[in-house]
Amino acid sequence: DAGVIQSPRHEVTEMGQEVTLRCKPISGHNSLFWYRQTMMRGLELLIYFNNNVPIDDSGMPEDRFSAKMPNASFSTLKIQPSEPRDSAVYFCASSSPPDQPQHFGDGTRLSIL
Amino acid sequence: AQSVTQLDSQVPVFEEAPVELRCNYSSSVSVYLFWYVQYPNQGLQLLLKYLSGSTLVKGINGFEAEFNKSQTSFHLRKPSVHISDTAEYFCAVRGTGFQKLVFGTGTRLLVSP
Repeated sequence: DAGVIQSPRHEVTEMGQEVTLRCKPISGHNSLFWYRQTMMRGLELLIYFNNNVPIDDSGMPEDRFSAKMPNASFSTLKIQPSEPRDSAVYFCASSSPPDQPQHFGDGTRLSIL
Repeated sequence: AQSVTQLDSQVPVFEEAPVELRCNYSSSVSVYLFWYVQYPNQGLQLLLKYLSGSTLVKGINGFEAEFNKSQTSFHLRKPSVHISDTAEYFCAVRGTGFQKLVFGTGTRLLVSP
């Protein structure tokens, strides 16, 4: 079975540029989660969707961050403009509630210079 | 709201020795509990989960965990570790009926020969 697929795996860009991270959840899963992982703050939930609808975006750090889920098989996390402090590993996860665990992608390692 | 405490940031152990990684949680509602493992440069993989039923849960790679409701703990154990178990281990909790997963800060298991 295909797992959660994230792209790109690595992204290096300059400060001020727009960054778009992509995620394809596991087929049939109706919940999707975006996380950010840093040494300082650990694993933080940014936003999650249920049936393509954003349910909780309280973890989104600033207006520079936005996320969309136009259909059940695709989601994007966008940062515009990017800043060096956005450098982190961003994970996408999906699940099929109510009692199933989340399955994680391999992450996107983002470096903002 | 739920919270998770992993008391040990790092646990060094020799190969073939037993290990216990500690996890305590707090919640005002019933919970589901999870342990995930993260190998370098990879996403999180589910080790095991407690949803209901038997309090002793067995997972992959020879790991097991015991749910103790009175002590609000969900410690992870393995009777004999291998070098390949070196990784970061995360405990996570989710309130039943909720989708938001709350992670602990992680415990780095270092297995040496």
